[in-house]
Amino acid sequence: DSGVTQTPKHLITATGQRVTLRCSPRSGDLSVYWYQQSLDQGLQFLIQYYNGEERAKGNILERFSAQQFPDLHSELNLSSLELGDSALYFCASSGDRGTEAFFGQGTRLTVV
Amino acid sequence: AQSVTQPDIHITVSEGASLELRCNYSYGATPYLFWYVQSPGQGLQLLLKYFSGDTLVQGIKGFEAEFKRSQSSFNLRKPSVHWSDAAEYFCAVGPILTGGGNKLTFGTGTQLKVEL
Repeated sequence: DSGVTQTPKHLITATGQRVTLRCSPRSGDLSVYWYQQSLDQGLQFLIQYYNGEERAKGNILERFSAQQFPDLHSELNLSSLELGDSALYFCASSGDRGTEAFFGQGTRLTVV
Repeated sequence: AQSVTQPDIHITVSEGASLELRCNYSYGATPYLFWYVQSPGQGLQLLLKYFSGDTLVQGIKGFEAEFKRSQSSFNLRKPSVHWSDAAEYFCAVGPILTGGGNKLTFGTGTQLKVEL
């Protein structure tokens, strides 16, 4: 158990809909990262938050957004969903001095 | 731009045999290198990491990796594979970002099958 909790584990939704994925980092970790894992793109970094502020951005679509709350949990919002957004979405966290990221179990999103 | 190449998509080994998974990276500065394992339906678990110092690093589950700067490689090895090692293995490279943490670039993964 990495200590990173993601909910829900599975999500099935229709095209055009909006969903919110939730991540609770390890206790005390200030950094939260979101990654997308799909068959055609592999594992791709989406975005990082550090102590509530956006710190780095990767290949994140404009339809996607994220935020980190004062209690350090984070949410990834995906809107106007398309079939191609079906993927496994991982959250990871790391501490201020930590140099490795600890990953949650992921949320499997299926868009139908 | 940083990148990682894992040339072997699938590897099959017999239980008890040795294993080497290849990883080549491209990075403009001193790389921070990682190997992660993903079992079916599971998240990514860190096996080992290299930041500096001894180029041979030991990880969990009996794995080790050797950093070779001249070859831009960070190959993962295990002397004797167990059936429970069947999984997908990812090599990753990343910088250390301000305030801690890292933005990882992953390879495409190597699927390991273990024959009994």
